[in-house]
Amino acid sequence: QQQVKQSPQSLIVQKGGISIINCAYENTAFDYFPWYQQFPGKGPALLIAIRPDVSEKKEGRFTISFNKSAKQFSLHIMDSQPGDSATYFCAASQETSGSRLTFGEGTQLTVNP
Amino acid sequence: GAGVSQTPSNKVTEKGKYVELRCDPISGHTALYWYRQSLGQGPEFLIYFQGTGAADDSGLPNDRFFAVRPEGSVSTLKIQRTERGDSAVYLCASSSYPRGKDEQFFGPGTRLTVL
Repeated sequence: QQQVKQSPQSLIVQKGGISIINCAYENTAFDYFPWYQQFPGKGPALLIAIRPDVSEKKEGRFTISFNKSAKQFSLHIMDSQPGDSATYFCAASQETSGSRLTFGEGTQLTVNP
Repeated sequence: GAGVSQTPSNKVTEKGKYVELRCDPISGHTALYWYRQSLGQGPEFLIYFQGTGAADDSGLPNDRFFAVRPEGSVSTLKIQRTERGDSAVYLCASSSYPRGKDEQFFGPGTRLTVL
């Protein structure tokens, strides 16, 4: 059962453009929604996270938009840079399940110079 | 301080062999997680430790997989009678509980190849 669905699978943007990655979840008990960035040969690194009591969170060039009624959330990367080229994973967890993460399938982002 | 470390970084073994993968969490982190990441996929949960005990092992695929954390720090994931389908990157993560319980810090992973 795929509880977190992510799209697109791959994304190519030009330097300075906006990258948008979307995720949808099924389990309404999820109470924490992080985004992770992963470079080849490295483990995932937390980028930004949100809880369902807010609709948007911004940290620098990265913004999460959250729609609780639609059970969807998205990552926006403003002014995308070649150094942002990586694989991005959305995830979700619930405290009552020990905060174990359920990940989406990943989006491979390429930012062309 | 140091992040999560995992050893070995790469492990090649033959079908049917036994392997052990080690995880050193961030000092003081009481929560420890193991995930498995197949090529082109997101990590999948295997097991979660709170202190020395396995609080949730529902993600272990079968009884060939076992993990321990005897002193509440280092953890070892053990795989018996390895199969080619076990080939993947095995990731370990730790977090501080209860404060910071949601933020999991991942290690670089162990790439397991079963020939």
